[in-house]
Amino acid sequence: QITLKESGPTLVNPTQTLTLTCTFSGFSLSTGGVGVAWVRQPPGKALEWLGLIYWDGDTLYSTSLQTRLTITKDTSNPQVVLKMTNVDPGDTATYYCAHLTARRFDFWGQGTLVTVSS
Amino acid sequence: DIQMTQSPSTLSASVGDSVTITCRASHSITTWLAWYQQKPGKAPKLLIYDASTLESGVPSRFSGSGSGTEFTLTISSLQPDDFATYYCQQCHSYWSFGQGTKVEIK
Repeated sequence: QITLKESGPTLVNPTQTLTLTCTFSGFSLSTGGVGVAWVRQPPGKALEWLGLIYWDGDTLYSTSLQTRLTITKDTSNPQVVLKMTNVDPGDTATYYCAHLTARRFDFWGQGTLVTVSS
Repeated sequence: DIQMTQSPSTLSASVGDSVTITCRASHSITTWLAWYQQKPGKAPKLLIYDASTLESGVPSRFSGSGSGTEFTLTISSLQPDDFATYYCQQCHSYWSFGQGTKVEIK
């Protein structure tokens, strides 16, 4: 059974770096074709794909956010980390991580709400 | 970037109705399209991928069709559990979502 869970701060000050962790189970991020994606959703708005990391360490990022995002995977633990620099109130959203297979997001975490405010 | 446009934004329907949601891509995505259902406060749930393949465990009243730039999601007999927001997602060139269609009770 595949599960994912996001963790991190609920409140971040503007201009700071947001760091979120996705802890997963039920699959290995060393298996070919597998990836972990990050998606966010501002309150009352649509889903937005942020980026992802593949089993081989390759990363892809949204063109609009690529200068601010870094996604890494922990080789010792079943975790993927998202870092977003220089946050502002527009980054307030629920952040989800999701399991990727064959280009689709078939399992999702429950999401974590991050508020950017001073 | 590929833009995804859904219509309508809101759809009012009754239990038992057949409803159709349309999703248009700004460029051809062949059949690299998925549909998700999201309920308030919950994560999205994958319903359909590759434009028309039903995800395991999803009721057969859900169906998808289309290719190129135009796609549809049809719910053949709306059930109380189906009132939710639906998103299309292209996965041809990176990934992007439509703005969502809320299916509400009439």
